[in-house]
Amino acid sequence: KAGVTQTPRYLIKTRGQQVTLSCSPISGHRSVSWYQQTPGQGLQFLFEYFSETQRNKGNFPGRFSGRQFSNSRSEMNVSTLELGDSALYLCASSWGGGTNTEAFFGQGTRLTVV
Amino acid sequence: GQQVMQIPQYQHVQEGEDFTTYCNSSTTLSNIQWYKQRPGGHPVFLIQLVKSGEVKKQKRLTFQFGEAKKNSSLHITATQTTDVGTYFCAGGRAGNNRKLIWGLGTSLAVNP
Repeated sequence: KAGVTQTPRYLIKTRGQQVTLSCSPISGHRSVSWYQQTPGQGLQFLFEYFSETQRNKGNFPGRFSGRQFSNSRSEMNVSTLELGDSALYLCASSWGGGTNTEAFFGQGTRLTVV
Repeated sequence: GQQVMQIPQYQHVQEGEDFTTYCNSSTTLSNIQWYKQRPGGHPVFLIQLVKSGEVKKQKRLTFQFGEAKKNSSLHITATQTTDVGTYFCAGGRAGNNRKLIWGLGTSLAVNP
């Protein structure tokens, strides 16, 4: 079956702009989590969506938001971009979410803010 | 807040040497997962441990979950160049099964 698909793969934005990233989970998976990965900081949890509802949220400012559609596809939006937002953004899907199910990661979107 | 500390941060080994990475939590975990991320790639699930004192093996990889369910280790016997990457542990918080707490990862480099 197809894996987790993230688009776009690479993105260059200017400080102050906003950006929307997309994640299509594995078919049948209802949970989508988003992570920010930067060198030396590991994987920082942004939020998790399950059946169109945000079920959990990390410690990121309100500039970071997301949503999930009825087909489980999810989008993440970052407004008023800052240089520090440059990172690899990963989404992970799983069947039921939670901590005891295997998460399948997409290839990520590499965001560069200049 | 609760953290999962992972050590070492980096490890260089000669091919054929063994390698171990450790994860330590300040509180009891419900479970722990291990992932591997190759350079330029994305994290890939390796295994999950749930029971106190559990030990699981995958070929040259041995995973352990401590008796108190606060620590875990991943040991690779006779490393190969294909083992290069960053190994992450992620713990489930006891009493809250909705968010994994991730370690910062151990980056393994293997010299041929």
